[in-house]
Amino acid sequence: DADVTQTPRNRITKTGKRIMLECSQTKGHDRMYWYRQDPGLGLRLIYYSFDVKDINKGEISDGYSVSRQAQAKFSLSLESAIPNQTALYFCATSGTASNQPQHFGDGTRLSIL
Amino acid sequence: AQSVTQLDSHVSVSEGTPVLLRCNYSSSYSPSLFWYVQHPNKGLQLLLKYTSAATLVKGINGFEAEFKKSETSFHLTKPSAHMSDAAEYFCVVSDPLGTGGFKTIFGAGTRLFVKA
Repeated sequence: DADVTQTPRNRITKTGKRIMLECSQTKGHDRMYWYRQDPGLGLRLIYYSFDVKDINKGEISDGYSVSRQAQAKFSLSLESAIPNQTALYFCATSGTASNQPQHFGDGTRLSIL
Repeated sequence: AQSVTQLDSHVSVSEGTPVLLRCNYSSSYSPSLFWYVQHPNKGLQLLLKYTSAATLVKGINGFEAEFKKSETSFHLTKPSAHMSDAAEYFCVVSDPLGTGGFKTIFGAGTRLFVKA
């Protein structure tokens, strides 16, 4: 089984709809992250959480919200989806030091029509 | 300020020839540096990391990278490319923050094409 699992893997929806992307991990890490990937832009951080009670905005948090339901679960919501939120979304986890790598899920491809 | 620049958006090599993917960074501290690979429809997978030990770092699948502080570079190399190396590669820098956290910046990525 994968260490970091994202659901769904693919989603097509319409403008204005509410969408939730889910992430669960079996790494036992306290830190979890949500990124979006767009061609030529690399990965950009949306939100991150250092533990269940700690949620922080990343560089592109507008239009998104998150919930850390447990150490192992971190969900990303788009309250009212718009077409420029079409992207590939990744969840990741890591340990607590800057020299520890992040572990990524396989991504959710989201298309908003 | 912290930043990462991958100098080539695309690199094309023939199978069996060397691979060089270039990365320059800026950091106010002694950074941790990483290379990740992303295959189609997959998440990022760690290739190797530098964390202030040996400056030449060996990773998986025959890749290695050399940390050169004087040049602020962390280029990724492989002596002989294989078709399975075709993927996108990301250089990443991570700096500790005074608050006890850290900040991670991803490069824009380099797509590697391998010709038969």
